[in-house]
Amino acid sequence: EAQVTQNPRYLITVTGKKLTVTCSQNMNHEYMSWYRQDPGLGLRQIYYSMNVEVTDKGDVPEGYKVSRKEKRNFPLILESPSPNQTSLYFCASARTAQSSYNSPLHFGNGTRLTVT
Amino acid sequence: GQQVMQIPQYQHVQEGEDFTTYCNSSTTLSNIQWYKQRPGGHPVFLIQLVKSGEVKKQKRLTFQFGEAKKNSSLHITATQTTDVGTYFCAETRGSQGNLIFGKGTKLSVKP
Repeated sequence: EAQVTQNPRYLITVTGKKLTVTCSQNMNHEYMSWYRQDPGLGLRQIYYSMNVEVTDKGDVPEGYKVSRKEKRNFPLILESPSPNQTSLYFCASARTAQSSYNSPLHFGNGTRLTVT
Repeated sequence: GQQVMQIPQYQHVQEGEDFTTYCNSSTTLSNIQWYKQRPGGHPVFLIQLVKSGEVKKQKRLTFQFGEAKKNSSLHITATQTTDVGTYFCAETRGSQGNLIFGKGTKLSVKP
């Protein structure tokens, strides 16, 4: 089954404790992206990747890191989490960059992160 | 970065009433996509519009792209409780075609 898999689904952590949220897709998609969703703010892009070893900042990259060493994986790293990073996080992938027709985003099920 | 502006932010309707959400941009859009997120779920792709003045239908849903490609709308005829959720429009930004979302319209339907 074609899917984007995020882990974990829920995570409660403390300020400053490094964490990684994993994201994997099995569709051989070139494009991957991370979003955070907060009430009233919609989906805001954190980082995206056009292909292996190609990553770029989105609108809210501060406090986050990513890597794209393999096509299928795009982990999100919080080196020193803070309470303002408490949010619902979504990973998404697409066959190609969004300027191409028929490249919809496929989303993972989300990771709800709480930083205390 | 500036998002596309989406209105209204919330909409409460009685089952059977129509619903419309609008997406507006100050710049010309190359294309626009629409997504639906059910409560507790993740966004799911509905449709992509590319051509000026394009109109597409999916059962009770009608999607339009403005003639100037600066706005788009999603209209639901005779809403049902299964239509509950948040509807997002998303624009392609930049030469790399990165996808940026509006803030969404949250629809609630009273049976």
